[in-house]
Amino acid sequence: RKEVEQDPGPFNVPEGATVAFNCTYSNSASQSFFWYRQDCRKEPKLLMSVYSSGNEDGRFTAQLNRASQYISLLIRDSKLSDSATYLCVVIPASGGSYIPTFGRGTSLIVHP
Amino acid sequence: SQTIHQWPATLVQPVGSPLSLECTVEGTSNPNLYWYRQAAGRGLQLLFYSVGIGQISSEVPQNLSASRPQDRQFILSSKKLLLSDSGFYLCAWSAKVETQYFGPGTRLLVL
Repeated sequence: RKEVEQDPGPFNVPEGATVAFNCTYSNSASQSFFWYRQDCRKEPKLLMSVYSSGNEDGRFTAQLNRASQYISLLIRDSKLSDSATYLCVVIPASGGSYIPTFGRGTSLIVHP
Repeated sequence: SQTIHQWPATLVQPVGSPLSLECTVEGTSNPNLYWYRQAAGRGLQLLFYSVGIGQISSEVPQNLSASRPQDRQFILSSKKLLLSDSGFYLCAWSAKVETQYFGPGTRLLVL
């Protein structure tokens, strides 16, 4: 089983739609979680951290389910500019190094 | 504020030629530094990371090497490039146990 798995998509949704992505992880001792956004031919950029209690930033909501070992990203009222690849990142709980594991990403296409 | 620079932005090199990609970080000290490669349609592959000057850990054995001659400088090198070395090379930094921030990347095409 891969350490971090994401549905590659693409998710093709109309403007204004609500879309959700999940990301599963295999290491139950993982301690930190993030969502990144990567536009075509650009570097990944931090979208938001994922906290145990869940967190919201405008139209974006991130949640963590430790029991089932997955994190989710919900995007409400999708905009054309939300089209991108969304990467989940999991940081294991280990002493010393800080080696994140990236998922392969989920592609989102928002169309008019 | 912190910034991370990478150069060159794009590079076309023949098979067998050497490679040197540079990454520098400003506005922070003693960062963790990382080199990733992203092949077309693939995920991010961690190549090297460094927790301090002269300290390099390799994640994947290959014909690439990395060096950290200064606190905020990270260099990715190869003596002889292979076709399979083509890809998007990303440098990233983090303040130890915090979020990673990526540079703009170098797109390498080996012909």
